[in-house]
Amino acid sequence: DAGVTQSPTHLIKTRGQQVTLRCSPKSGHDTVSWYQQALGQGPQFIFQYYEEEERQRGNFPDRFSGHQFPNYSSELNVNALLLGDSALYLCASSSPGIADTQYFGPGTRLTVL
Amino acid sequence: AQKVTQAQTEISVVEKEDVTLDCVYETRDTTYYLFWYKQPPSGELVFLIRRNSFDEQNEISGRYSWNFQKSTSSFNFTITASQVVDSAVYFCALSEVNYGNNRLAFGKGNQVVVIP
Repeated sequence: DAGVTQSPTHLIKTRGQQVTLRCSPKSGHDTVSWYQQALGQGPQFIFQYYEEEERQRGNFPDRFSGHQFPNYSSELNVNALLLGDSALYLCASSSPGIADTQYFGPGTRLTVL
Repeated sequence: AQKVTQAQTEISVVEKEDVTLDCVYETRDTTYYLFWYKQPPSGELVFLIRRNSFDEQNEISGRYSWNFQKSTSSFNFTITASQVVDSAVYFCALSEVNYGNNRLAFGKGNQVVVIP
């Protein structure tokens, strides 16, 4: 039973560039959530996708956007990168039930220079 | 707004000692879920336990146990007879389910260091 997978593992970009991170949910899950974790902090909720639509959104600017595909995989896009976007980006998947546990992938470490 | 506080930042224990992690939460909702996740150096968040707001029964699962007290808004987690493999950052998280909101709000985490 495959767990949540994310790619790439690490990424280095420069300020102003754009980046796309990818996530495949755990088998049987159709809801994907994205979190940003700065060094030494807890993860912060970015947004959640279900049925190819953004269902919930945290307090992040419009530079952060996402997409969910028919196979439930998801992408996180960040435009006009800032130094402060350097973080571990975590993807979590769950069933659509509102109380279902979210299971996390290994994350993508983004460094913005 | 939901809020989770984990007061201790780093806790060091000698192997085989017990370690208890404190978590205090704030919510206005009557229906919510509380979680503990473990984050080893690899970075992946590993789900450990979940409790809903209507079930205050405390349980033990292997070397893990938790103490949920709604009256004090606390959800503490204990590792019994710690092992070196328990060294990690532990996060407490809250999910409110009213109004279709199940996003997780995390505390800042507790760095647990188990010394052999």
